[in-house]
Amino acid sequence: QLQLQESGPGLVKPSETLSLTCTVSGGSISSSSYYWGWIRQPPGKGLEWIGSIFYSGTTYYNPSLKSRATLSVDTSKNQFSLILISVTAADTAVYFCARLYRYGEYYFDYWGQGTLVTVTS
Amino acid sequence: QSALTQPRSVSGSPGQSVTISCTGTSSDVGTYNHVSWYQQHPGKAPKLMIYDVTKRPSGVPDRFSGSRSGNTASLTISGLQAEDEADYSCCSYAGSVLFGGGTKLTVL
Repeated sequence: QLQLQESGPGLVKPSETLSLTCTVSGGSISSSSYYWGWIRQPPGKGLEWIGSIFYSGTTYYNPSLKSRATLSVDTSKNQFSLILISVTAADTAVYFCARLYRYGEYYFDYWGQGTLVTVTS
Repeated sequence: QSALTQPRSVSGSPGQSVTISCTGTSSDVGTYNHVSWYQQHPGKAPKLMIYDVTKRPSGVPDRFSGSRSGNTASLTISGLQAEDEADYSCCSYAGSVLFGGGTKLTVL
């Protein structure tokens, strides 16, 4: 059974950098059928897509976050990561990683449990 | 691109049917077949319930169904059960990924 697990600091100071890693187990991140994505959810609000990455390194970003977000992948560790720079309180959210199927059909079928990141001084 | 529009809340009694709408534009929901729906219980990760407007993943009860008319997609849950009480979010792919604001379903 595929499992995804987010990890990283739960507290980040304003103007600093948020860094999260998603570890994939029970399957290979190098599958040609899937992309891997980050989605966040501010407290009490809806989901927001941040970006998606293929194992080759091809990336797609939400235009509203593109200038601050960077996704990367480490196939040797079966992990992918998110870096978000210059964070503010508005970046406080639960951050989810998920597997994305995007060939002919398009959906997120496996999700991590999510990790709360709070931006506070 | 703006988020997709969903009602904040809907409710229904056990055994009844409810429909949750998701309104986009002719540039996303109205054109692309890549509309999906996710169920989310409090403190949990979203779960895929419907993809490509009408398709149901293995393991999802057939009480859940999806449809689309124009720029509005809909999720219908028939034979409501207590465990269906959750938040439901729609998602559309149109070059970029858009989510709706989420709808809280209350089973009375």
